[in-house]
Amino acid sequence: DAGVTQSPTHLIKTRGQQVTLRCSPKSGHDTVSWYQQALGQGPQFIFQYYEEEERQRGNFPDRFSGHQFPNYSSELNVNALLLGDSALYLCASSYTGGVYNEQFFGPGTRLTVL
Amino acid sequence: ELKVEQNPLFLSMQEGKNYTIYCNYSTTSDRLYWYRQDPGKSLESLFVLLSNGAVKQEGRLMASLDTKARLSTLHITAAVHDLSATYFCLILGRTSGSRLTFGEGTQLTVNP
Repeated sequence: DAGVTQSPTHLIKTRGQQVTLRCSPKSGHDTVSWYQQALGQGPQFIFQYYEEEERQRGNFPDRFSGHQFPNYSSELNVNALLLGDSALYLCASSYTGGVYNEQFFGPGTRLTVL
Repeated sequence: ELKVEQNPLFLSMQEGKNYTIYCNYSTTSDRLYWYRQDPGKSLESLFVLLSNGAVKQEGRLMASLDTKARLSTLHITAAVHDLSATYFCLILGRTSGSRLTFGEGTQLTVNP
Protein backbone atom coordinates (compact mmCIF):
# COMPACT_ATOMS: atom_id res chain seq x y z
CA ASP A 1 0.00 0.00 0.00
CA ALA A 2 1.53 3.27 -1.16
CA GLY A 3 -0.30 5.33 1.42
CA VAL A 4 -1.37 8.87 0.63
CA THR A 5 0.59 10.40 -2.23
CA GLN A 6 0.81 14.02 -3.31
CA SER A 7 2.26 15.78 -6.31
CA PRO A 8 4.25 17.78 -6.97
CA THR A 9 6.64 17.78 -4.02
CA HIS A 10 7.72 21.37 -4.49
CA LEU A 11 6.33 24.19 -6.58
CA ILE A 12 7.37 27.78 -7.20
CA LYS A 13 4.87 30.25 -8.59
CA THR A 14 4.57 34.01 -8.90
CA ARG A 15 1.83 36.24 -7.57
CA GLY A 16 -1.36 36.15 -9.60
CA GLN A 17 -0.74 32.73 -11.06
CA GLN A 18 -2.89 29.67 -10.54
CA VAL A 19 -1.78 26.31 -9.13
CA THR A 20 -3.19 22.78 -8.99
CA LEU A 21 -2.07 20.27 -6.39
CA ARG A 22 -2.95 16.58 -6.53
CA CYS A 23 -3.62 13.89 -3.96
CA SER A 24 -4.22 10.15 -4.18
CA PRO A 25 -5.76 8.65 -1.06
CA LYS A 26 -4.74 5.52 0.77
CA SER A 27 -6.27 2.37 -0.65
CA GLY A 28 -9.79 1.83 0.71
CA HIS A 29 -10.28 5.46 1.72
CA ASP A 30 -13.11 7.54 0.30
CA THR A 31 -12.64 10.96 1.91
CA VAL A 32 -9.97 13.54 1.24
CA SER A 33 -9.22 16.62 3.34
CA TRP A 34 -6.85 19.45 2.49
CA TYR A 35 -4.85 21.55 4.94
CA GLN A 36 -2.56 24.55 4.69
CA GLN A 37 0.40 24.68 7.06
CA ALA A 38 2.37 27.92 7.22
CA LEU A 39 5.88 27.76 8.61
CA GLY A 40 5.89 27.26 12.38
CA GLN A 41 2.12 26.91 12.63
CA GLY A 42 -0.42 24.13 12.91
CA PRO A 43 -2.27 22.92 9.82
CA GLN A 44 -5.43 24.86 8.93
CA PHE A 45 -8.38 22.95 7.48
CA ILE A 46 -9.27 24.09 3.94
CA PHE A 47 -12.02 21.66 2.91
CA GLN A 48 -13.06 18.05 2.77
CA TYR A 49 -14.40 16.01 -0.15
CA TYR A 50 -16.59 12.94 0.00
CA GLU A 51 -18.53 11.33 -2.85
CA GLU A 52 -17.13 13.97 -5.20
CA GLU A 53 -18.70 16.81 -3.25
CA GLU A 54 -17.33 19.37 -0.84
CA ARG A 55 -18.63 18.27 2.54
CA GLN A 56 -17.06 20.85 4.83
CA ARG A 57 -15.08 24.02 4.35
CA GLY A 58 -12.76 26.03 6.54
CA ASN A 59 -12.24 29.79 6.57
CA PHE A 60 -10.57 30.08 3.20
CA PRO A 61 -11.59 32.39 0.34
CA ASP A 62 -13.19 31.20 -2.86
CA ARG A 63 -9.79 31.37 -4.55
CA PHE A 64 -9.32 27.94 -3.01
CA SER A 65 -11.35 25.31 -4.78
CA GLY A 66 -11.20 21.59 -5.13
CA HIS A 67 -12.44 18.52 -6.83
CA GLN A 68 -12.74 14.84 -6.11
CA PHE A 69 -12.75 12.27 -8.87
CA PRO A 70 -14.64 8.96 -9.05
CA ASN A 71 -11.45 7.12 -8.04
CA TYR A 72 -11.40 9.26 -4.83
CA SER A 73 -8.30 11.21 -5.83
CA SER A 74 -8.51 14.94 -5.37
CA GLU A 75 -7.18 18.25 -6.60
CA LEU A 76 -6.72 21.56 -4.82
CA ASN A 77 -6.77 24.66 -7.01
CA VAL A 78 -5.65 28.07 -5.88
CA ASN A 79 -6.28 31.08 -8.12
CA ALA A 80 -4.73 34.53 -8.04
CA LEU A 81 -1.87 33.45 -5.80
CA LEU A 82 -0.73 35.76 -3.02
CA LEU A 83 2.57 35.78 -1.18
CA GLY A 84 0.68 34.59 1.90
CA ASP A 85 -0.33 31.39 0.12
CA SER A 86 3.23 30.13 0.51
CA ALA A 87 2.92 27.08 2.74
CA LEU A 88 3.03 23.32 2.98
CA TYR A 89 -0.22 21.89 1.63
CA LEU A 90 -1.18 18.61 3.19
CA CYS A 91 -3.71 16.12 1.99
CA ALA A 92 -5.24 13.57 4.35
CA SER A 93 -7.43 10.63 3.50
CA SER A 94 -9.83 8.67 5.66
CA TYR A 95 -12.59 6.09 5.47
CA THR A 96 -15.94 7.56 6.40
CA GLY A 97 -17.44 4.24 7.42
CA GLY A 98 -14.74 3.44 9.94
CA VAL A 99 -15.12 3.87 13.69
CA TYR A 100 -12.00 5.94 14.07
CA ASN A 101 -12.21 7.96 10.84
CA GLU A 102 -8.45 8.31 11.21
CA GLN A 103 -6.78 10.89 9.00
CA PHE A 104 -3.67 9.64 7.20
CA PHE A 105 -1.50 12.41 5.83
CA GLY A 106 0.50 12.59 2.64
CA PRO A 107 4.03 14.02 2.43
CA GLY A 108 2.74 17.43 1.38
CA THR A 109 3.42 19.91 -1.41
CA ARG A 110 5.65 22.86 -0.56
CA LEU A 111 4.33 25.90 -2.45
CA THR A 112 6.43 29.04 -2.68
CA VAL A 113 4.86 32.19 -4.14
CA LEU A 114 7.31 34.87 -5.26
CA GLU B 1 -16.52 27.83 16.38
CA LEU B 2 -14.30 25.07 17.71
CA LYS B 3 -11.16 26.35 19.42
CA VAL B 4 -8.24 24.14 20.36
CA GLU B 5 -5.44 25.20 22.68
CA GLN B 6 -2.27 23.29 23.37
CA ASN B 7 0.23 23.98 26.07
CA PRO B 8 3.02 24.37 26.40
CA LEU B 9 3.90 25.54 22.90
CA PHE B 10 7.58 24.92 23.51
CA LEU B 11 9.03 22.27 25.79
CA SER B 12 12.69 21.59 26.43
CA MET B 13 13.42 18.65 28.65
CA GLN B 14 16.23 16.34 29.63
CA GLU B 15 16.42 12.71 28.71
CA GLY B 16 14.89 10.48 31.33
CA LYS B 17 12.39 13.04 32.58
CA ASN B 18 8.59 12.90 32.43
CA TYR B 19 6.27 15.58 31.13
CA THR B 20 2.71 16.17 29.94
CA ILE B 21 1.33 18.10 26.97
CA TYR B 22 -2.21 19.42 27.30
CA CYS B 23 -4.88 19.89 24.65
CA ASN B 24 -8.03 21.83 25.57
CA TYR B 25 -10.97 22.27 23.23
CA SER B 26 -14.08 24.38 23.34
CA THR B 27 -16.99 22.25 22.07
CA THR B 28 -18.19 18.68 22.16
CA SER B 29 -15.77 16.42 20.39
CA ASP B 30 -16.46 13.32 18.36
CA ARG B 31 -12.90 12.15 18.07
CA LEU B 32 -9.47 13.37 19.12
CA TYR B 33 -6.21 12.55 17.41
CA TRP B 34 -2.57 13.04 18.30
CA TYR B 35 0.07 13.47 15.62
CA ARG B 36 3.82 13.86 15.49
CA GLN B 37 5.61 16.02 12.93
CA ASP B 38 9.37 16.04 12.35
CA PRO B 39 10.91 19.15 10.76
CA GLY B 40 10.07 19.40 7.06
CA LYS B 41 7.99 16.22 7.18
CA SER B 42 4.35 15.30 7.16
CA LEU B 43 2.24 14.21 10.12
CA GLU B 44 2.48 10.76 11.64
CA SER B 45 -0.56 9.41 13.44
CA LEU B 46 0.05 8.48 17.08
CA PHE B 47 -3.31 7.93 18.77
CA VAL B 48 -7.06 8.11 18.13
CA LEU B 49 -9.28 8.64 21.18
CA LEU B 50 -13.02 8.20 20.97
CA SER B 51 -14.66 8.11 24.34
CA ASN B 52 -14.44 9.61 27.78
CA GLY B 53 -11.75 7.96 29.85
CA ALA B 54 -9.99 6.48 26.83
CA VAL B 55 -6.32 5.82 27.41
CA LYS B 56 -3.84 4.57 24.85
CA GLN B 57 -0.14 3.86 25.20
CA GLU B 58 2.63 3.27 22.72
CA GLY B 59 6.16 3.03 24.02
CA ARG B 60 7.01 6.11 26.08
CA LEU B 61 3.87 7.99 25.03
CA MET B 62 0.45 7.73 26.65
CA ALA B 63 -2.64 9.68 25.60
CA SER B 64 -5.86 10.14 27.53
CA LEU B 65 -9.18 11.84 26.96
CA ASP B 66 -11.60 13.52 29.39
CA THR B 67 -14.59 14.62 27.33
CA LYS B 68 -16.31 16.24 30.30
CA ALA B 69 -13.35 18.52 30.93
CA ARG B 70 -12.76 18.80 27.16
CA LEU B 71 -9.14 17.91 27.77
CA SER B 72 -6.68 15.45 26.34
CA THR B 73 -3.18 14.82 27.61
CA LEU B 74 -0.10 13.34 26.00
CA HIS B 75 2.25 12.05 28.66
CA ILE B 76 5.90 11.40 27.96
CA THR B 77 7.70 8.94 30.20
CA ALA B 78 11.50 8.83 30.50
CA ALA B 79 12.02 10.98 27.41
CA VAL B 80 14.67 10.10 24.84
CA HIS B 81 16.18 12.30 22.13
CA ASP B 82 14.24 10.49 19.38
CA LEU B 83 11.01 11.95 20.76
CA SER B 84 12.10 15.45 19.73
CA ALA B 85 9.41 16.67 17.31
CA THR B 86 6.30 18.83 17.20
CA TYR B 87 3.15 17.22 18.57
CA PHE B 88 -0.33 18.24 17.48
CA CYS B 89 -3.79 17.36 18.70
CA LEU B 90 -6.61 17.34 16.15
CA ILE B 91 -10.26 17.56 17.10
CA LEU B 92 -13.27 16.46 15.11
CA GLY B 93 -16.11 18.45 16.61
CA ARG B 94 -19.54 16.97 17.02
CA THR B 95 -21.61 20.10 16.53
CA SER B 96 -23.08 20.83 13.15
CA GLY B 97 -20.60 22.46 10.82
CA SER B 98 -17.66 22.04 13.16
CA ARG B 99 -14.52 21.33 11.32
CA LEU B 100 -11.37 19.38 11.84
CA THR B 101 -9.28 21.73 13.96
CA PHE B 102 -5.64 21.39 14.99
CA GLY B 103 -4.03 22.75 18.09
CA GLU B 104 -1.07 25.11 17.67
CA GLY B 105 1.40 22.33 18.30
CA THR B 106 3.97 21.67 21.02
CA GLN B 107 7.58 21.75 19.91
CA LEU B 108 9.41 19.24 22.08
CA THR B 109 13.19 19.18 22.38
CA VAL B 110 14.77 16.40 24.41
CA ASN B 111 18.34 17.17 25.43
CA PRO B 112 20.92 14.49 26.22
